[in-house]
Amino acid sequence: QQKVQQSPESLSVPEGGMASLNCTSSDRNFQYFWWYRQHSGEGPKALMSIFSDGDKKEGRFTAHLNKASLHVSLHIRDSQPSDSALYFCAASEHRGFASALTFGSGTKVIPCLP
Amino acid sequence: EAGVTQSPRYAVLQEGQAVSFWCDPISGHDTLYWYQQPRDQGPQLLVYFRDEAVIDNSQLPSDRFSAVRPKGTNSTLKIQSAKQGDTATYLCASSFRNQAPLFGEGTRLSVL
Repeated sequence: QQKVQQSPESLSVPEGGMASLNCTSSDRNFQYFWWYRQHSGEGPKALMSIFSDGDKKEGRFTAHLNKASLHVSLHIRDSQPSDSALYFCAASEHRGFASALTFGSGTKVIPCLP
Repeated sequence: EAGVTQSPRYAVLQEGQAVSFWCDPISGHDTLYWYQQPRDQGPQLLVYFRDEAVIDNSQLPSDRFSAVRPKGTNSTLKIQSAKQGDTATYLCASSFRNQAPLFGEGTRLSVL
């Protein structure tokens, strides 16, 4: 079983709409989470980190972490065509990357016409 | 600032052939990672280094894969006898202390 599980596998989002992506860790050692975005033909790029319970907002992106359930979500508001990408949740045992990141299998976000 | 540089960008091999991937991390980054990313899947850690020391290579198929970072800067990942199941993108990333790893564009490998 993968230690970091993401859902849904793919998501169609109308331009200007909201996308909601989910991630759960099955390993209680994984307490620190990152969201990465990967456009086709490129390497993944870090969007944001979240280490504490609650919400964290950066521009159009909001992450939410519930440490008790090890569930983290990413919400993208006002979806743009440039948001078309694979989104990965990644988790670490340590805040300082003493251990490497473990990635989920990703959610493909597909913008569509409203 | 230059990003993480990988070469080659693409490689096509027959089964049984050898291949090497090269990575030049961001200057000053002490930690270097190699990940394997099969098509439409997430990156999976193969090995990572802090300076020249291997921190974790437990996911590296040791009979055919090897990785070195002799001077704590550039790194090479080698596959001795490639199999079709090795078809994937090989990503190199580097980081400094608690910053997020920054990835290169990867080397896309096809094994026929």
